[in-house]
Amino acid sequence: NAGVTQTPKFQVLKTGQSMTLQCAQDMNHEYMSWYRQDPGMGLRLIHYSVGAGITDQGEVPNGYNVSRSTTEDFPLRLLSAAPSQTSVYFCASRRDSTYEQYFGPGTRLTVT
Amino acid sequence: LAKTTQPISMDSYEGQEVNITCSHNNIATNDYITWYQQFPSQGPRFIIQGYKTKVTNEVASLFIPADRKSSTLSLPRVSLSDTAVYYCLVGDLFYSSASKIIFGSGTRLSIRP
Repeated sequence: NAGVTQTPKFQVLKTGQSMTLQCAQDMNHEYMSWYRQDPGMGLRLIHYSVGAGITDQGEVPNGYNVSRSTTEDFPLRLLSAAPSQTSVYFCASRRDSTYEQYFGPGTRLTVT
Repeated sequence: LAKTTQPISMDSYEGQEVNITCSHNNIATNDYITWYQQFPSQGPRFIIQGYKTKVTNEVASLFIPADRKSSTLSLPRVSLSDTAVYYCLVGDLFYSSASKIIFGSGTRLSIRP
């Protein structure tokens, strides 16, 4: 099992550019989530999904879109990058009825 | 989801037992208590989860008093590698509200030689 994988590990964008952060899990987990973590801060929930075709907003959804066409994949799209979106992005997955989440290694994004 | 309050930071020394307390005065009947650990530049890692009394695994113990308004994560004989941020989460596993898992600011634990 690879667990939760994220690509890319690092990315630099210019303001206004768009890009997609990839997340995949091979544990057949129903729940997947995207978090961002700014330096010295806790994690903030961006979007989450309770299964294929079902997504919902977290605490800080503005500027981000998600889709969940398969159980395995949960990509996060930045529509028009802004310097305020400079952060480390973590994807996580878990089974139903548990708070035991498995996190990916993170994507460090810098927007200039 | 019940709001949680943890100390911002704690210091200790190698070989000591460390107890981190989390307050959750508004915990609901169906809520469980979960703790995560996060090392720098890594995603959080699940440590332990409990409902009442005491839960122990190979890494830590979780103590929950009868009123469940607080919980204490206990790390026995810490080492330098236990330096990390520890997050306390409280929530219902079995209803739609459980689909959101919100992390607070956590407790930054520093272990010294």
